[in-house]
Amino acid sequence: SQTIHQWPATLVQPVGSPLSLECTVEGTSNPNLYWYRQAAGRGLQLLFYSVGIGQISSEVPQNLSASRPQDRQFILSSKKLLLSDSGFYLCAWSPGVAGVVSETQYFGPGTRLLVL
Amino acid sequence: AQTVTQSQPEMSVQEAETVTLSCTYDTSESNYYLFWYKQPPSRQMILVIRQEAYKQQNATENRFSVNFQKAAKSFSLKISDSQLGDTAMYFCAFGGYALNFGKGTSLLVTP
Repeated sequence: SQTIHQWPATLVQPVGSPLSLECTVEGTSNPNLYWYRQAAGRGLQLLFYSVGIGQISSEVPQNLSASRPQDRQFILSSKKLLLSDSGFYLCAWSPGVAGVVSETQYFGPGTRLLVL
Repeated sequence: AQTVTQSQPEMSVQEAETVTLSCTYDTSESNYYLFWYKQPPSRQMILVIRQEAYKQQNATENRFSVNFQKAAKSFSLKISDSQLGDTAMYFCAFGGYALNFGKGTSLLVTP
């Protein structure tokens, strides 16, 4: 069966510090991968998605970037965190075949980020 | 632009009763998918049910069923025999590559 991991679970960082959140998927190959952010009391906002290694699409221009160095690894980064980067970050995967649109997305446990 | 609207920020239902959560969406596409996700206090997003737009038959999953009205762009979730464990935020989502989420409905199941 497939599993998705995210770490760290919780992170408190000062403004201006760098960020690296990691997401890995097990039990599948060539997944589509996604990063979402959920602000307090709000829905999910898609940040990035990837249909393959090195292929990243950005949905919202911002202080964050994403990379996919391996097939089942997705990393969310920032060089300098802002207060507004605080939130709950969710990674998700869906079955994908060479960029073909897929459907159901399965989510990781999430990372709570607090920028002070 | 594709939008998803959940008009009920909060709802409450008694245990064993039935509750319906509303969702409407806007799109010009003809082929897409619709989802309901549940987010309990742990904040893990859990898939509840999925509907393919090309299927006329409404999806069901145990106590959960949907009423999909494609022409009206409506996708409501019915929870039958509500249980205390159903207490959670429920998000309606629409899309293909990337999901567009509504703002959620907070459901409280009371004894």
